[in-house]
Amino acid sequence: GESVGLHLPTLSVQEGDNSIINCAYSNSASDYFIWYKQESGKGPQFIIDIRSNMDKRQGQRVTVLLNKTVKHLSLQIAATQPGDSAVYFCAENMDRAAGNKLTFGGGTRVLVKP
Amino acid sequence: EAGVAQSPRYKIIEKRQSVAFWCNPISGHATLYWYQQILGQGPKLLIQFQNNGVVDDSQLPKDRFSAERLKGVDSTLKIQPAKLEDSAVYLCASSIGPGDTQYFGPGTRLTVL
Repeated sequence: GESVGLHLPTLSVQEGDNSIINCAYSNSASDYFIWYKQESGKGPQFIIDIRSNMDKRQGQRVTVLLNKTVKHLSLQIAATQPGDSAVYFCAENMDRAAGNKLTFGGGTRVLVKP
Repeated sequence: EAGVAQSPRYKIIEKRQSVAFWCNPISGHATLYWYQQILGQGPKLLIQFQNNGVVDDSQLPKDRFSAERLKGVDSTLKIQPAKLEDSAVYLCASSIGPGDTQYFGPGTRLTVL
């Protein structure tokens, strides 16, 4: 079946640098995408979302970009901090009208080096 | 505002035993979800409730897994009997409604020996 996936399983970043986490999706009908952050021993924490009628959305230090042509989603973290070390998941909503069913990708681990 | 509460946080059982997990969603959230997260993977939806009714249980292994939300607030997820491959973190999430942001609890880490 169609699923959401990630290109890089681990990303090492120097503190203060920008991070870019990539995600590919295959269901062209998906209309809503979310990024979650999961720290060790905790549940996923909502970071930012984007609807398919948008190309870009910005939050505090984070930006999500959506390229529907190539079915690609990315999360940019500005001035990465040690507290950003975690696993990041993208998720797509494959049938939001039917009730917000999310499909998660495999995750990317971000390690911030001091 | 209190988040999603789950208990226990950790559970170790032997295969063929039974286990139950409890979830208390954020107050006022009508939609509740149970996910299974195997180590190194993203969460996978097991079941979704809207108030006390099941919306989606298509990925719930119904021969051994069951879940209920009798009064439309708290929920329990049960596994009977457990298998080795059930070792995972079981996450509960809630949202105001079906199309709203899902908020996750800390999860219950289950180890089946």
